[in-house]
Amino acid sequence: QKEVEQDPGPLSVPEGAIVSLNCTYSNSAFQYFMWYRQYSRKGPELLMYTYSSGNKEDGRFTAQVDKSSKYISLFIRDSQPSDSATYLCALRSGTYKYIFGTGTRLKVLA
Amino acid sequence: GAVVSQHPSWVICKSGTSVKIECRSLDFQATTMFWYRQFPKQSLMLMATSNEGSKATYEQGVEKDKFLINHASLTLSTLTVTSAHPEDSSFYICSARYGRGTGELFFGEGSRLTVL
Repeated sequence: QKEVEQDPGPLSVPEGAIVSLNCTYSNSAFQYFMWYRQYSRKGPELLMYTYSSGNKEDGRFTAQVDKSSKYISLFIRDSQPSDSATYLCALRSGTYKYIFGTGTRLKVLA
Repeated sequence: GAVVSQHPSWVICKSGTSVKIECRSLDFQATTMFWYRQFPKQSLMLMATSNEGSKATYEQGVEKDKFLINHASLTLSTLTVTSAHPEDSSFYICSARYGRGTGELFFGEGSRLTVL
């Protein structure tokens, strides 16, 4: 079993839709959670960083963490074509071990 | 967020030559930096962990003599691909750990290496 599972997509949605991106993980040692956006041929850009279970909002983005279910989500409201990218979840343990999901390719259609 | 600069963004070299890629944290000190390799439409593959002032820790299967990593200061790590061959052509990305307890990783822009 992989330490983190993420659907690779591609996920295609119409402009304005709410997008839900998810990762599941198996090891409760991971306590910190990040979401990155990566455009083609660019380095990943940090979007959200969370620690606690619950929701964290930043503009159109909401990160949700459910530690009991080992499930994390990123919601994008009012999606735009410029949101088309690959979204990577990342998990960090207390000992600074980092694990990345495979990434979900998102296409927002105008 | 914090800024990590990677240079060069792309490089073309002849087979057998060596190429150096720099990774700098511009507005914070990074005791730990990471180097990744990424193939098209694939996720990040961790190559090595670089700690300032000590030898890098390489992942299994990564040739340490082929990929030389130096982390001489708190703001600079370098990756040198020695005697590069066409199979070394790839997208190389660095990240730096923001050290003030939160541990977020900030990534460079990536370097595309093409070996002819």
